[in-house]
Parts: sequence; C-alpha cells; structure tokens
Amino acid sequence: GENVEQHPSTLSVQEGDSAVIKCTYSDSASNYFPWYKQELGKRPQLIIDIRSNVGEKKDQRIAVTLNKTAKHFSLHITETQPEDSAVYFCAAGDTGGFKTIFGAGTRLFVKA
Amino acid sequence: DSGVTQTPKHLITATGQRVTLRCSPRSGDLSVYWYQQSLDQGLQFLIQYYNGEERAKGNILERFSAQQFPDLHSELNLSSLELGDSALYFCASSPQRTGGLWGYTFGSGTRLTVV
Repeated sequence: GENVEQHPSTLSVQEGDSAVIKCTYSDSASNYFPWYKQELGKRPQLIIDIRSNVGEKKDQRIAVTLNKTAKHFSLHITETQPEDSAVYFCAAGDTGGFKTIFGAGTRLFVKA
Repeated sequence: DSGVTQTPKHLITATGQRVTLRCSPRSGDLSVYWYQQSLDQGLQFLIQYYNGEERAKGNILERFSAQQFPDLHSELNLSSLELGDSALYFCASSPQRTGGLWGYTFGSGTRLTVV
C-alpha cells in the first residue's frame, strides 16, 4: 500500500538552533503535503502545507520544501523555541483529498 | 475550539462491549475522517465519509464501522472491544473544495480505555 516515511523519529535541539524533519512518499499521485503539530494531550493542528506546483513555502520561522522527482518533502524550523517542542506529522494526499496518509511522527525536543 | 466537536471526551468500557463515538464537523465541511492514535503512535487512518457516502477506507477492523448522517455528523461504532483498541480516536473534517485540498481540522479526540 501507499506509504509515508518520516525521519527522524526523535529530534533534540538546543534553543535557537534549526530543526529539519524529512519525509518521503510512495504515491506519485500525491500532490498535497500538509504538516501537523501535536502538543502533548492535544489534537493535531495544521501548521503549514505545500502543493505540488510549489517547491518551497515559508511562514515566519517554518518552511517546507518539496522535491516531487525524488518524492521528498521537508519541514524546516529556524530559531527554535521551547514551545516548538511537540510531535510533528507530515502527510501526503491526492487531489481529491481522499485518504491522506500520515508519517509516523517526529518528537521534537527543544532544550532551553 | 477548532469547530470540530467530538463526544465523549473520555470513555472507559469493558472488553467485549460496544461503544459509539460521535463527531460533528466544522460548519460547511462535507468530509469527515476518522483516525486512531495508540499510545505514542502515529495517526492511523480508519475511514473517510464525504457528504454521507463512504469515500475511502484505511486499516479499519471489521469490528469497527462508521456512518455519516444527513446533517453531516458522523459516528464511529466499535464493537467486541479488545484491550488493544484502547487509543485516542480523532475525527477531522475538511471543506473538500473542487480542484484543491485543504488541510484537516481535527477535533479534540475521544480517549477510549478498554479494561
């Protein structure tokens, strides 16, 4: 079946450093790639997304890049802060929006 | 408040029992998705409904079923419960506009504990 792989599973960085989370997907029909942040005990929340006709998107301290040829996409967080500590999920979906597949998640720890 | 309402927030029940989880999507959203999240695990897609019809199915057990009603709220029915069914069950909705895909809005989840 279709799959989304996410790495690393755990990431620990010092406050102020950058964090990068990478995902690969298998379904070439995927053309929408959202990222969700889930704080402990809370619901996942969409933080940024990118569509296949765009190679990079930025929103303040977070950015996403997409390489459709290699089927890779990444989340970049700069100037990390303790409140960035959470589990981050990548996902890949198709144009119809059906059955978005999530990665297994990355637990990010930002040490003050 | 995300606009997606899930009830109940917590549910404790015994093995072999049946429970129903309820989800009201955000106003105007036609699609409802159900996900299962076991302890420290990722989000496992169960099933999706769009405007009352089943659209996609994931790793949903035969003991589980779902439906979406004319008012667009959805129910997830879990029967013959086992200890391993203990998890956080999320509902999400999306506008599902033609020609594009919008991110999900998740509800706060229902924490199911099977004892």
